[in-house]
Amino acid sequence: EVQLLESGGGLVQPGGSLGLSCAASGFSFSSYAMGWVRQAPGKGLEWVSTISGSGGSTYYADSVKGRFTISRDSSKNTLYLQMNTLRAEDTAVYFCAKAPIAARPNYFDYWGQGTLVTVSS
Amino acid sequence: DIQMTQSPSSLSASVGDRVTITCRASQSISSYLTWYQQKPGKAPKLLISGASSLQSGVPSRFSGSGSGTDFTLAISSLQPEDFATYYCQQSYSTPLTFGGGTKVEI
Repeated sequence: EVQLLESGGGLVQPGGSLGLSCAASGFSFSSYAMGWVRQAPGKGLEWVSTISGSGGSTYYADSVKGRFTISRDSSKNTLYLQMNTLRAEDTAVYFCAKAPIAARPNYFDYWGQGTLVTVSS
Repeated sequence: DIQMTQSPSSLSASVGDRVTITCRASQSISSYLTWYQQKPGKAPKLLISGASSLQSGVPSRFSGSGSGTDFTLAISSLQPEDFATYYCQQSYSTPLTFGGGTKVEI
């Protein structure tokens, strides 16, 4: 059974940093691309970033490019999102999600339950 | 960026009704269209990929159609557990983009 468990959310001040983790199990982690999707309170879904199965290719939404960094550690079956220079508009539930293929950004077939990031002073 | 426009943004329906939701892309995306269902406080759930391929375990009352720029999600006979918000997503190119969602209410 595929399981994705996010952690690391919380309250952070504008301009601050926060790191999210997503522990994956139930599938061959390095064989699939992984991504982050966020949802601001009461709003729709917004793609944030995707990383290929090998970790060699990364893709970002323009809204986070240069501030967020996606990475993965296949030895730990864990996906990461390092978020720097946070803004109020980054406040959202962040979902970790698995793609059905290894390479190009695609849809997501499994999702974690999400972790809330609140950017506020 | 490819814009995804869903309509309606919300609808009221009854158990047993047939419901259709449309999703329009701002340019052709072939069949790179996915539908998700999301219930309050929960993660999205994959329903349909490739515009019309039903995910394993998803009831057959759900169906998807379309290609190019115009797509439809249909629920043939609405069940109580189908009341949720539905999103389309294109994976033709980055940035990946979602429609604004359609809330299906009683």
